[in-house]
Amino acid sequence: EIVMTQSPATLSVSPGERATLSCRASQSVSSNLAWYQQKPGQAPRLLIYGASTRATGIPARFSGSGSGTEFTLTISSLQSEDFAVYYCQQYNNWPQITFGQGTRLEIK
Amino acid sequence: QVTLRESGPALVKPTQTLTLTCTFSGFSLSTSGMCVSWVRQPPGKALEWLALIDWDDDKYYSTSLKTRLTISKDTSKNQVVLTMTNMDPVDTATYYCARISNSGSYGAFDIWGQGTMVTVSS
Repeated sequence: EIVMTQSPATLSVSPGERATLSCRASQSVSSNLAWYQQKPGQAPRLLIYGASTRATGIPARFSGSGSGTEFTLTISSLQSEDFAVYYCQQYNNWPQITFGQGTRLEIK
Repeated sequence: QVTLRESGPALVKPTQTLTLTCTFSGFSLSTSGMCVSWVRQPPGKALEWLALIDWDDDKYYSTSLKTRLTISKDTSKNQVVLTMTNMDPVDTATYYCARISNSGSYGAFDIWGQGTMVTVSS
């Protein structure tokens, strides 16, 4: 099983600032990585797939980068609606899909 | 518009079998490349992938839970059913169904249901 490790567990950032979230895979997943945003009481929402492609309707302030084992989700200028939990997910080891444990992005 | 909706019991007793239904619209699971999957999330915890069924009726299960899970589809009803046997309190979670589409995002879950909370308790 490919283990996905996200860091930090909690990130405190002020509105308008940049947030950088990390995800590391225990072995290479190529670019087969997705990012999701989850707000309380809601289902996850797909933000990024293929490590760097924004899903339909996702604002340009969200960007993804990386390949192999190291990945980053960057939110360039945080809006109030961006404070949520973010998960990475690998799908390289198809179909044994695995998720990271999540990063909670909170208002500083 | 693509939608998925989970349904099933909110409460099950330990050792019982859980049956969940995902009813979807806006796409066909007989279309090449389409998949529907189940993912769960215990309260306050991370997401865990459970099972997946594809357009060709191939079925895949989480290695850790495969002995307890069965996934099936009824294409005519646009439904996917998940059964989980021998339920335990640690299986208390919100259960989501989600779609993987035959597009560039293949492998990622592009549309999710709202989830259904299942509590396991005597």
